[in-house]
Amino acid sequence: NAGVMQNPRHLVRRRGQEARLRCSPMKGHSHVYWYRQLPEEGLKFMVYLQKENIIDESGMPKERFSAEFPKEGPSILRIQQVVRGDSAAYFCASSPPVYEQYFGPGTRLTVT
Amino acid sequence: RKEVEQDPGPFNVPEGATVAFNCTYSNSASQSFFWYRQDCRKEPKLLMSVYSSGNEDGRFTAQLNRASQYISLLIRDSKLSDSATYLCVVNVAGANNLFFGTGTRLTVIP
Repeated sequence: NAGVMQNPRHLVRRRGQEARLRCSPMKGHSHVYWYRQLPEEGLKFMVYLQKENIIDESGMPKERFSAEFPKEGPSILRIQQVVRGDSAAYFCASSPPVYEQYFGPGTRLTVT
Repeated sequence: RKEVEQDPGPFNVPEGATVAFNCTYSNSASQSFFWYRQDCRKEPKLLMSVYSSGNEDGRFTAQLNRASQYISLLIRDSKLSDSATYLCVVNVAGANNLFFGTGTRLTVIP
């Protein structure tokens, strides 16, 4: 029973480049959440998606960040023109239509 | 005001000790409550849900006090493997996401 999969596990980008983070939910889960964790801080909600729909993006920065969850394939969190302040661990979680969320191993983004 | 507040610790306890963590939440519309555990540089893992009547899972006991908006986690007979950061997590009615506390760090010492 594969859990939530995320890749890459580590990603290094130079300032101004694009970062693409992928998340495959657990089998049977149709809800995907993205969270960001800055060093020494708690997890902060970014966006909640169901297949082909963004349900809640209230935690997403207004610029440079976007997310999608297509009908086929993983959910993608895209960060354009990355800056040093984007360096963080990005966790994806999935759930069936109840509240318990299960997390992937995260992608650690480092912007140099 | 933060949705969820926790004492960051650290708590350093000897093996076999009993340790308790507390957490308060600010939104009275909070409806679901959880404790997650996060090891260093790893993802959060669900430890247990917290029910109004309180619940126990082996050495772990969780309590909820809705009147005081307070959640607790008790760990009995601490093991070295319990060393981790414990996250208090809340879901608010009508919200799609979970609100995380910043975590309480526990180190169990041999």
